[in-house]
Amino acid sequence: AQKITQTQPGMFVQEKEAVTLDCTYDTSDQSYGLFWYKQPSSGEMIFLIYQGSYDEQNATEGRYSLNFQKARKSANLVISASQLGDSAMYFCAMREVLYNFNKFYFGSGTKLNVKP
Amino acid sequence: AAGVIQSPRHLIKEKRETATLKCYPIPRHDTVYWYQQGPGQDPQFLISFYEKMQSDKGSIPDRFSAQQFSDYHSELNMSSLELGDSALYFCASSLEGQRNEKLFFGSGTQLSVL
Repeated sequence: AQKITQTQPGMFVQEKEAVTLDCTYDTSDQSYGLFWYKQPSSGEMIFLIYQGSYDEQNATEGRYSLNFQKARKSANLVISASQLGDSAMYFCAMREVLYNFNKFYFGSGTKLNVKP
Repeated sequence: AAGVIQSPRHLIKEKRETATLKCYPIPRHDTVYWYQQGPGQDPQFLISFYEKMQSDKGSIPDRFSAQQFSDYHSELNMSSLELGDSALYFCASSLEGQRNEKLFFGSGTQLSVL
């Protein structure tokens, strides 16, 4: 089974509008972490936001927030007030512990295009 | 703040040649991960090291080897290069054992095999 599922291969959003990128995950661990990364066309992988499985509050970092619904095993990224520079590939990832070491899993990504 | 440093940024090689990619983790980070990302693909885990010992192994070909040195930097050695090895290679580092451990990536090495 896929550990991380991103069902939206591509999305369009109008500049200044909010957009939600979907991510669901699969784990039987109680302690795990969820991440979102942004990969612009230049290729680097930029860390955006992190949510720990025990964190009661949804994580927020500036215009980014993570809508964490533990029972549904979803960790959607919300970008408010989209900017043209937000056009990029977005990856959802999960960290869980396997044999006492951290293991990270990535989704297939969502390509976001922000329209002027 | 210091980030993960990878070198070289770009590398062009011929088939059957060898290549060495280098990664310098964030200071104090003890764990290094290597990922391979083909065009339009998500990153695929290759191998990881914790305290200079291999901690996990993914889909790394036998033609590739890697190690982590005493200063925690890591090198990915690739031999008998094939066209299909053309990809973006990421190194990432983290501090093992932290409850809120995060994974930080370098800028990647773009390898082109001709």
